[in-house]
Amino acid sequence: DTEVTQTPKHLVMGMTNKKSLKCEQHMGHRAMYWYKQKAKKPPELMFVYSYEKLSINESVPSRFSPECPNSSLLNLHLHALQPEDSALYLCASSTAGGLGGTGELFFGEGSRLTVL
Amino acid sequence: QQQVKQSPQSLIVQKGGISIINCAYENTAFDYFPWYQQFPGKGPALLIAIRPDVSEKKEGRFTISFNKSAKQFSLHIMDSQPGDSATYFCAATDQTGANNLFFGTGTRLTVIP
Repeated sequence: DTEVTQTPKHLVMGMTNKKSLKCEQHMGHRAMYWYKQKAKKPPELMFVYSYEKLSINESVPSRFSPECPNSSLLNLHLHALQPEDSALYLCASSTAGGLGGTGELFFGEGSRLTVL
Repeated sequence: QQQVKQSPQSLIVQKGGISIINCAYENTAFDYFPWYQQFPGKGPALLIAIRPDVSEKKEGRFTISFNKSAKQFSLHIMDSQPGDSATYFCAATDQTGANNLFFGTGTRLTVIP
């Protein structure tokens, strides 16, 4: 079983809705990530938090707003999304040494988002 | 720009056969090369990884072969089983501290009983 827990597993929202995706890990990892994955494509990095500070923002539109309330939690706030934003949103964590250190990303099972 | 190129896009193998997936990269700063396995409806999970100081790493039926001069690495799955049917992503990163993992485009493996 994955040690990164994501909720909800499925979310359907309209373009005017505001919703949030949540992620939790209790492995003591200090780096947390949001990835977006379209069908039959690799995960695409959106945001990285290192020690609760945003360290990477891959030019993601402002309708996606990340938040890291503490070292175990990561949220992704969604507002005014477009149908093309429909995808699997994956949360991941790693030790804060960077991916080149230990190298392993631990992924959650994802939140399947559909924007109508 | 695709930092890591992966082939084939899809692969069908008979049970008991060998599955081979190839990846190539350009950035010589990359020094860590993991493979992730993803089942439908699940997140990717680390399968096996290698650093460029060795040319091969084996874990059970899974082997990574690494050719530093050619900037290529491959995953071999021996005695492939239907339970191995999944999408496999190669990836690369470096130790500069940037927490970014560059994924290949993925290979959908189907193992036929």
